[in-house]
Amino acid sequence: AQSVSQHNHHVILSEAASLELGCNYSYGGTVNLFWYVQYPGQHLQLLLKYFSGDPLVKGIKGFEAEFIKSKFSFNLRKPSVQWSDTAEYFCAVTISGNTGKLIFGQGTTLQVKP
Amino acid sequence: GAGVSQSPSNKVTEKGKDVELRCDPISGHTALYWYRQSLGQGLEFLIYFQGNSAPDKSGLPSDRFSAERTGGSVSTLTIQRTQQEDSAVYLCASSGQGAYGNQPQHFGDGTRLSIL
Repeated sequence: AQSVSQHNHHVILSEAASLELGCNYSYGGTVNLFWYVQYPGQHLQLLLKYFSGDPLVKGIKGFEAEFIKSKFSFNLRKPSVQWSDTAEYFCAVTISGNTGKLIFGQGTTLQVKP
Repeated sequence: GAGVSQSPSNKVTEKGKDVELRCDPISGHTALYWYRQSLGQGLEFLIYFQGNSAPDKSGLPSDRFSAERTGGSVSTLTIQRTQQEDSAVYLCASSGQGAYGNQPQHFGDGTRLSIL
């Protein structure tokens, strides 16, 4: 079965530090890739997505992610985090041509210390 | 509002009771999804509706779970004879029409269900 793995379950950083959250998926065919964020007390929001084209995608709030097909990876990065980035981050995939149901990773809790 | 609306926001009920959870998708969105978020299992897909097509029920964990979508808009998720393991946050999402899988889903705030 298809699955998504997020390697970091809990990350603690100081403001201005750089961030990279790992995400790998298991599926040999074409996928669509997403990062969602859930700020404390809020609903899931789309951070960025990749469907095709340039494998380096930019999202909101200075986040970016790179799709590396050979590694089945879609890691999330931000050069300099802020306290307001404290949230839970979910990597997810959909299988192209399928119903569009999201397969989520377990999530990574990011805590940024001011 | 313009977002996905879910009700109730919180529901506490006794084991064995039935519960109904409601979702109002974004107007014009043809696809509607239910997910469950629990501590042990993370975010899991439950069911998917798209227009008048037969729903994809492949994620429903047991026959105690059912869902319907009336008039292509509002959806209700029903859990019969609730068990303690049903305690979770139930999320609804909707998306616009497009090629399968590449329309971003917009999520509601969820219903937090607690089974005593």
